Amino acid sequence: DQQVKQNSPSLSVQEGRISILNCDYTNSMFDYFLWYKKYPAEGPTFLISISSIKDKNEDGRFTVFLNKSAKHLSLHIVPSQPGDSAVYFCAASAIAGGGADGLTFGKGTHLIIQP
Amino acid sequence: KAGVTQTPRYLIKTRGQQVTLSCSPISGHRSVSWYQQTPGQGLQFLFEYFSETQRNKGNFPGRFSGRQFSNSRSEMNVSTLELGDSALYLCASSLGQGRGYTFGSGTRLTVV
Repeated sequence: DQQVKQNSPSLSVQEGRISILNCDYTNSMFDYFLWYKKYPAEGPTFLISISSIKDKNEDGRFTVFLNKSAKHLSLHIVPSQPGDSAVYFCAASAIAGGGADGLTFGKGTHLIIQP
Repeated sequence: KAGVTQTPRYLIKTRGQQVTLSCSPISGHRSVSWYQQTPGQGLQFLFEYFSETQRNKGNFPGRFSGRQFSNSRSEMNVSTLELGDSALYLCASSLGQGRGYTFGSGTRLTVV
């Protein structure tokens, strides 16, 4: 049973436009959410996170939105740049439980930025 | 500040053999967790160590084990390798409390 779902395996966006990556979760114990970016043959690189006490967090071109009632979060990248082409993973953790279960990852969305 | 270092980067083993992978966390990080990435299953949590104690383990068979040393370095071991164990094995370190994980570049294990 997938507790974190990224329903779009791939997404193609024109350079300069907004990229919106979506993620849904089912476990109501999750209270901390992260987005990672991954290039082939490299480890995931942390992008941005959000705690369940917030509904929005911004860092430069990256903004994460959290809708707790819908158990949905999204990552917005504005404007999209060619270097953003990568696989993006959504991850969740239960901080209140000490986070000892590690991160639960979605299966990723391959973002392709078209010139 | 050095990142998370995993060795070796690539490894080819034969079915039935065992393998040990190593991870050196960021200095000061006491939590080390391991993940397996495969095309079909994505990134899956293997286990996490904090101050030399395994805090939790994911849904993997007992052939997968690990340990953490007093300097926070960690090793994971896979015994009786199967073809399906071919994957990218990633190590992540953090200060603890389940946040701020920094990943290494991984060890690509191929079982033939």
